[in-house]
Amino acid sequence: AQSVTQLDSHVSVSEGTPVLLRCNYSSSYSPSLFWYVQHPNKGLQLLLKYTSAATLVKGINGFEAEFKKSETSFHLTKPSAHMSDAAEYFCVVRVTGGFKTIFGAGTRLFVKA
Amino acid sequence: NAGVTQTPKFQVLKTGQSMTLQCAQDMNHNSMYWYRQDPGMGLRLIYYSASEGTTDKGEVPNGYNVSRLNKREFSLRLESAAPSQTSVYFCASSEGGLAGRETQYFGPGTRLTVL
Repeated sequence: AQSVTQLDSHVSVSEGTPVLLRCNYSSSYSPSLFWYVQHPNKGLQLLLKYTSAATLVKGINGFEAEFKKSETSFHLTKPSAHMSDAAEYFCVVRVTGGFKTIFGAGTRLFVKA
Repeated sequence: NAGVTQTPKFQVLKTGQSMTLQCAQDMNHNSMYWYRQDPGMGLRLIYYSASEGTTDKGEVPNGYNVSRLNKREFSLRLESAAPSQTSVYFCASSEGGLAGRETQYFGPGTRLTVL
């Protein structure tokens, strides 16, 4: 069975400081992993995805994530937060070969001026 | 190119009423999905359609039915609405055929309240 745990429900950073949003997953099979962002009252937008190629994945808006199989983690990072990064972030797992999609509960990122 | 569109944006129902949520995509995608989003729970898959003519249950299908009308359209029906179905509903689509690796594209959502 697959599961996703986002370790922080809320993260608060100051503008210009690094962002770390943590995600652990569990999957019996080779997973595909995604990070999506949701701004208030909007739909979800893909930030980046891991699909068994390079373990360090670069996404849009300066975000990146590293797939660590030994730690079953897929943490999202950004070197310098912007006010526009304030949103909710979802870590997602899909079993390669399947359609079922498991979302984490989400991490709300606050960015202080 | 509108992407994924959903109607209506907002809806209020009384317990026991029925309604259909509409979803359409113009990206020629094969696969479509319906999710619900509840506070603190992320999104949960209700039903999906891997390709035109097929539908399958997701994680929380009870109380819902779906129809894949054609390649573009995938509707979600609540036959007898219950307060537990108060939620935000998202439709999504993806190319399909890439064994789970493809990106899903989401609509703007429908906010449903059942009184």
